[in-house]
Amino acid sequence: QSVLTQPPSVSAAPGQKVTISCSGSSSNIGNNYVSWYQQLPGTAPKLLIYDNNKRPSGIPDRFSGSKSGTSATLGITGLQTGDEADYYCGTWDSSFWVFGGGTKLTVL
Amino acid sequence: QVQLQESGPGLVKPSETLSLTCTVSGGSISSYYWSWIRQPPGKGPEWIGYIYYSGSTNHNPSLKSRVTISVDTSKNQFSLKLSSVTAADTAVYYCARQVAVTGSLDYWGQGTLVTVSS
Repeated sequence: QSVLTQPPSVSAAPGQKVTISCSGSSSNIGNNYVSWYQQLPGTAPKLLIYDNNKRPSGIPDRFSGSKSGTSATLGITGLQTGDEADYYCGTWDSSFWVFGGGTKLTVL
Repeated sequence: QVQLQESGPGLVKPSETLSLTCTVSGGSISSYYWSWIRQPPGKGPEWIGYIYYSGSTNHNPSLKSRVTISVDTSKNQFSLKLSSVTAADTAVYYCARQVAVTGSLDYWGQGTLVTVSS
């Protein structure tokens, strides 16, 4: 059981929008930056969003992040079949790094 | 472009010590935290710990005292040792660069599968 709670799965049709939540507490999300990772099948996780809402170079603006209180949200618009992947949030909890349990995105 | 590459045995016997090395290229190992993360088959990633180039370390308390992370700045490498392994330590092991304050893991190795079995 992770200290960061994510829905196990979400789904939406191509072209639609989806949001993935990450819920924590004051010891983690409430007082630290959140980052999001995309893991395509058989590959290493890839940084998608850092510092709550910033995108690394090369990440399309279809991906967005936000944080409010002890929760964070990843948003993906204009869904593509290539977005099918597992998504993980992460942050410091006290001085240790924690990941969320992960959300599997299915593009129907 | 920073690149990381894990290396080490893919098979370790129970009760022995797992040893992996991560070689960093395209940038200096100075600055940043250098971390190890593992992912058991079918499960989410678990942070193992990090080392700063100066040698200071921090690791996941769930792994208790089994973890040792070291750095060799002359070779631009850092290493992981996990002692007294069991089948529960079977996982893909990743090394990654971690930004100190915000914690984001911005560069990852491709990962290496380590199986614990006799």
